[in-house]
Amino acid sequence: QKEVEQDPGPLSVPEGAIVSLNCTYSNSAFQYFMWYRQYSRKGPELLMYTYSSGNKEDGRFTAQVDKSSKYISLFIRDSQPSDSATYLCAMSESNYQLIWGAGTKLIIKP
Amino acid sequence: KAGVTQTPRYLIKTRGQQVTLSCSPISGHRSVSWYQQTPGQGLQFLFEYFSETQRNKGNFPGRFSGRQFSNSRSEMNVSTLELGDSALYLCASSARGPDEKLFFGSGTQLSVL
Repeated sequence: QKEVEQDPGPLSVPEGAIVSLNCTYSNSAFQYFMWYRQYSRKGPELLMYTYSSGNKEDGRFTAQVDKSSKYISLFIRDSQPSDSATYLCAMSESNYQLIWGAGTKLIIKP
Repeated sequence: KAGVTQTPRYLIKTRGQQVTLSCSPISGHRSVSWYQQTPGQGLQFLFEYFSETQRNKGNFPGRFSGRQFSNSRSEMNVSTLELGDSALYLCASSARGPDEKLFFGSGTQLSVL
């Protein structure tokens, strides 16, 4: 079993829909949780960064961490075609090494 | 401010050859991490350098090596290439370490024939 599990998709939704992306993990020591977005032929870029549990909101994006369930989520409101990309979750303890999910491919249909 | 620059963007090699990839981090960043990305495995951590010292290493064979220079630029070398080494190799820089915000380059797409 992988330390971080993420459904590869693709997930296809109509423009304007609310998108929910999720990762589960097995290591209860993880404290730092991140979501990256990767467009085709580009490197990942950081979207959201959360320490420990709770919610964080940035514009149309909301990140949630539930440490008791070992589950993190990224919500995208009012989804746009430009949100079509692969979304990767990543997490770490405090030892400088990130563990990554395999990424979920998201397609927003106009 | 210039981003992370990786060269070359594309590379085609044959089995048994060796390859060197280059990464120039964002000015002022001292931490450089390398990742291998394949469709099935996602991002796999190779190693991280900070101020010319390897601080962390992933579970890759010794054919994969790296170094960092005094100007924080980093190189990654793969010797005796195998077909399974075909992947996108990504470099990321940060000020202090990979558990903070990482800035990625566009990667080097390596194809081994």
